[in-house]
Amino acid sequence: DAGVTQSPTHLIKTRGQHVTLRCSPISGHKSVSWYQQVLGQGPQFIFQYYEKEERGRGNFPDRFSARQFPNYSSELNVNALLLGDSALYLCASSRDYGQAAVGQPQHFGDGTRLSIL
Amino acid sequence: SQQGEEDPQALSIQEGENATMNCSYKTSINNLQWYRQNSGRGLVHLILIRSNEREKHSGRLRVTLDTSKKSSSLLITASRAADTASYFCATVPGPISSGSARQLTFGSGTQLTVLP
Repeated sequence: DAGVTQSPTHLIKTRGQHVTLRCSPISGHKSVSWYQQVLGQGPQFIFQYYEKEERGRGNFPDRFSARQFPNYSSELNVNALLLGDSALYLCASSRDYGQAAVGQPQHFGDGTRLSIL
Repeated sequence: SQQGEEDPQALSIQEGENATMNCSYKTSINNLQWYRQNSGRGLVHLILIRSNEREKHSGRLRVTLDTSKKSSSLLITASRAADTASYFCATVPGPISSGSARQLTFGSGTQLTVLP
């Protein structure tokens, strides 16, 4: 089975622009989470979606938004890009959510490397 | 914000030696997981230990958990050059409710280098 796929792999933008990152979860996985990983640090949680509804949001500004589609794929949108948004954006999927998901590992894609000039 | 800290930040050993990494966290947890990340790529799940467990093994990996000290350790035995990577611990907060998000809170990672 294919793993979590993310596109694009690399992206270069300038300050003030907008970006859309895409993620396809493992087949059968209904939960998708987004993480931001700044160089030299661990990933930080941005959003979690399950069954097309937002189920959790990390400490990120409203410039960050996301959605999940009926086929469980997901998009992360970032508006008015800042230099500090330069990072590796990781998508993770798992089969379930909440109590049913306890004990299930999250499966990560290889990420999108976003560079802001 | 990061949940905790990994110690050491960097570790360099010879092939065949054992590598031990430690993780401390701040809040109560449901479980703690360890992930590996090869240079700039995605994270690979290694092992999960629940809050009511004290030790767990998987192949060359051994994880311990001390909830009274809010700490965990990852031991990799007989290390190989292919084990060179960054290792992160991640916690899932407890208790889990049916409607709670299952976000992972990561530490800052340990960079392990295994020299041939």
